[in-house]
Amino acid sequence: EPEVTQTPSHQVTQMGQEVILRCVPISNHLYFYWYRQILGQKVEFLVSFYNNEISEKSEIFDDQFSVERPDGSNFTLKIRSTKLEDSAMYFCASSYWNSNQPQHFGDGTRLSIL
Amino acid sequence: GQNIDQPTEMTATEGAIVQINCTYQTSGFNGLFWYQQHAGEAPTFLSYNVLDGLEEKGRFSSFLSRSKGYSYLLLKELQMKDSASYLCAVRDPNAGNMLTFGGGTRLMVKP
Repeated sequence: EPEVTQTPSHQVTQMGQEVILRCVPISNHLYFYWYRQILGQKVEFLVSFYNNEISEKSEIFDDQFSVERPDGSNFTLKIRSTKLEDSAMYFCASSYWNSNQPQHFGDGTRLSIL
Repeated sequence: GQNIDQPTEMTATEGAIVQINCTYQTSGFNGLFWYQQHAGEAPTFLSYNVLDGLEEKGRFSSFLSRSKGYSYLLLKELQMKDSASYLCAVRDPNAGNMLTFGGGTRLMVKP
């Protein structure tokens, strides 16, 4: 069964450094998403991406965040200058369509900011 | 705003039936999803309801009442491996169709 894959599984970074989290969505899916989950808290939406542009973003997704689809398979989340409070599990998800289709999640990247 | 409420924790016995409730208040509604999440793992899709009524999928069923802003997930013949968090998520077309998640219900299945 096709799945969303994310790399790395764990990223440790010094505060202030830039990180790039990588995702390969399911190949025939058209919508891509990033969510985060701070330890012990709920899953929070960050951004959705369709047709090579952001379709929706939350208040969390401020100027330090950006997303890109650099080629036909990868979907990346960049955090420009990391802060301690960025420590969380970051999940990538994809869906074929954005109305009645479920979003399928990758295994996540655990980001630890020191 | 968006508000999704679920009980924080539930405990049930192996072989039994458990019902996990979810209530929501959102500005719009375009479907409710249930996900299972084992500790440290990704949410896994379980079920989707957009019309009122019951959707059955093996040991799992999900019910929706849009007029009441209410859903439940029913798990039958509980197994130890069903111990996990169960996340209720609502899609709101007035919020770009993003998913808004509840805090999750941690279910512990005991022998």
